[in-house]
Amino acid sequence: QQQVKQSPQSLIVQKGGIPIINCAYENTAFDYFPWYQQFPGKGPALLIAIRPDVSEKKEGRFTISFNKSAKQFSLHIMDSQPGDSATYFCAASGSAGGTSYGKLTFGQGTILTVHP
Amino acid sequence: DAGITQSPRYKITETGRQVTLMCHQTWSHSYMFWYRQDLGHGLRLIYYSAAADITDKGEVPDGYVVSRSKTENFPLTLESATRSQTSVYFCASTIGQGYEQYFGPGTRLTVT
Repeated sequence: QQQVKQSPQSLIVQKGGIPIINCAYENTAFDYFPWYQQFPGKGPALLIAIRPDVSEKKEGRFTISFNKSAKQFSLHIMDSQPGDSATYFCAASGSAGGTSYGKLTFGQGTILTVHP
Repeated sequence: DAGITQSPRYKITETGRQVTLMCHQTWSHSYMFWYRQDLGHGLRLIYYSAAADITDKGEVPDGYVVSRSKTENFPLTLESATRSQTSVYFCASTIGQGYEQYFGPGTRLTVT
C-alpha cells in the first residue's frame, strides 16, 4: 500500500494558534517523511523532514511528531503567523531492500489559513 | 541561474493535440520526477527517471511519454491531450533517496 492519508483538508486558526496536520501511512518500508509547504502559484518547498529513528524533530516554529507503531506523523506549527498561510503536504518515501529512487508519495494536502 | 526551471509556465491547448512540457535542472541531479497536482489529490507521480535514458512509470502514467537523453533535461509529452489532463504539472529533482526534492515553478496546462 503506497497511500498516505492527510487530514484535515483545510484548517483555519488565529494568529498565535497551533495548527496540527496529521498523516497516516500503511507501507512499513517508508523511511523518510518530509513535509512540504506550497504558496499559491509556486512549487512545493521542503519545510522539515524526519526519519523513523526519532519521535520528534523541531526546526524553528515547526515540529514533526512521529509515531512508528501507529504509522502516523503530524506537523505542529507553533505561534502561527499569517505568513504561514499556505498548503501543506506530507509525504513518504522508502523501499525495503532496494531503492525507491527517491519517489515520494504525497498526502492530499491541507490548506492552512492563519487570520491576523 | 542555478535551479530547476519549467517551460512554458502556462499553456492552453485543444483536445487531441500533442504538447510537450519542458524541465531543466542545473544541479546534475540523477533523479527527476514529473507530478501533476489536482485539487483533492495532492501531487501524483506521473513518471520518474534515475539517470539519462532510464525512466519508469509512476502512479498515473497513461497518456504521457517521457524521455531523458541528457541528465539536465526531462521533457514530458502529452501525445493526444484530453480534458482530464488539465492540471498543474511540476517537475522535481533530487540527488537520491531520503534527500530533498527540489520542485520547479510548475506549468498550468488547460486542455479545451
